[in-house]
Amino acid sequence: QSVLTQPPSVSGAPGQRVTISCTGSSSNIGAGYDVNWYQQLPGTAPKLLIYGNRNRPSGVPDRFSGFKSGTSASLVITGLQAEHEADYYCQSYDNRVSGPVFGGGTRVTVL
Amino acid sequence: QVQLQESGPGLVKPSETLSLTCAVSEYSITSVYYWGWIRQPPGKGLEWIGSIHHSGSTSYNPSLKSRVSISIDTSKNDFSLRLTSVTAADTAVYYCASQLYSTINHFDNWGQGALVTVSS
Repeated sequence: QSVLTQPPSVSGAPGQRVTISCTGSSSNIGAGYDVNWYQQLPGTAPKLLIYGNRNRPSGVPDRFSGFKSGTSASLVITGLQAEHEADYYCQSYDNRVSGPVFGGGTRVTVL
Repeated sequence: QVQLQESGPGLVKPSETLSLTCAVSEYSITSVYYWGWIRQPPGKGLEWIGSIHHSGSTSYNPSLKSRVSISIDTSKNDFSLRLTSVTAADTAVYYCASQLYSTINHFDNWGQGALVTVSS
């Protein structure tokens, strides 16, 4: 069981907007630690998508957006495309673990 | 851009020790980064194993702490993972990754991963 909770799957038609939630607690997201998001395409290593709650590394398109509020965070993908089919993971720091923690991952399917 | 590459045996017998090395290139391992290991069992999510700084400071996931050791070799610009008394539950793809300044931060660079299977 992951420290951060994500829905196992979300889906949407091409061009639609999808939102992936990430729920934590007072020892991680709620304690003020940043939330980061990773995209894992099939058979590849995770790639940093969003860091510091809402910042995009160079090369990540602005169709990916991150938000944080209270003990939760969310990743929004606008203009969904077939190339966005992947697993998405949220990550934060937990002061009970004294280290990074991940969500269980969300599989995005383009219908 | 930091480049990371894992290496080590792909098959380990139960009760033995898993050993992997992560070679760091295009950047000095004695820089401002922390260097970490993350694993992913087949079909499952990501789990942080532990991290190290070139100063020797280490931190480990409490769930694995009794079996894990991470070390760093500044002369070779690499760092290593040892996991003792392995079982089938330790079968996973093992990734090495970097974190800038602190283990509180994001993992900005990842290796391609190394699949380790625990089986007799």
